[in-house]
Amino acid sequence: AQSVTQPDIHITVSEGASLELRCNYSYGATPYLFWYVQSPGQGLQLLLKYFSGDTLVQGIKGFEAEFKRSQSSFNLRKPSVHWSDAAEYFCAVSTRGSQGNLIFGKGTKLSVKP
Amino acid sequence: DAGVTQSPTHLIKTRGQQVTLRCSPKSGHDTVSWYQQALGQGPQFIFQYYEEEERQRGNFPDRFSGHQFPNYSSELNVNALLLGDSALYLCASRKGMESYEQYFGPGTRLTVT
Repeated sequence: AQSVTQPDIHITVSEGASLELRCNYSYGATPYLFWYVQSPGQGLQLLLKYFSGDTLVQGIKGFEAEFKRSQSSFNLRKPSVHWSDAAEYFCAVSTRGSQGNLIFGKGTKLSVKP
Repeated sequence: DAGVTQSPTHLIKTRGQQVTLRCSPKSGHDTVSWYQQALGQGPQFIFQYYEEEERQRGNFPDRFSGHQFPNYSSELNVNALLLGDSALYLCASRKGMESYEQYFGPGTRLTVT
């Protein structure tokens, strides 16, 4: 069965520091991978997605993610974190034929220190 | 252009009662999925609707049912509520069954007492 693991429940970084949020997936074929962000009281906003091609994908708000097939990973990165980035981040996977069925990790809560 | 809207925002129900949650998809979207997000967890897929039919279902009991209307809006119904049904219920819409890009609404917070 497909699964998504986000090993870090909570991460705190200083404003201006770099950020990397980890995501590992379990799936036999090439998955379709996503990162979403959820602020308190808000729905999920899509940050970026990977379907195929270039393994480094750029998203909104200065985020990027790299797909590494050999490590079954899709880690999210940002070179310089802003206080407004404090939120919960979810990695998700989907597959052809089940496009509407996203499988999510449990999320990583990001706190930003001034 | 309105995004995905959901109503109500919050809801408190008692065990054993029934509840109906509503979702209007983003303009131009015709496919709706519902997710349950328990506290501290990622969202879990409940089911999806397209052309007024349930097309795919996650691992949820029959107490969870839904409907899609001709204008593409959708309802999620939960019968015989349990304490464990307390969660944030998210609706997501997209344009066509083949599309991967889903847009999420703000959710309905359901509390069962």
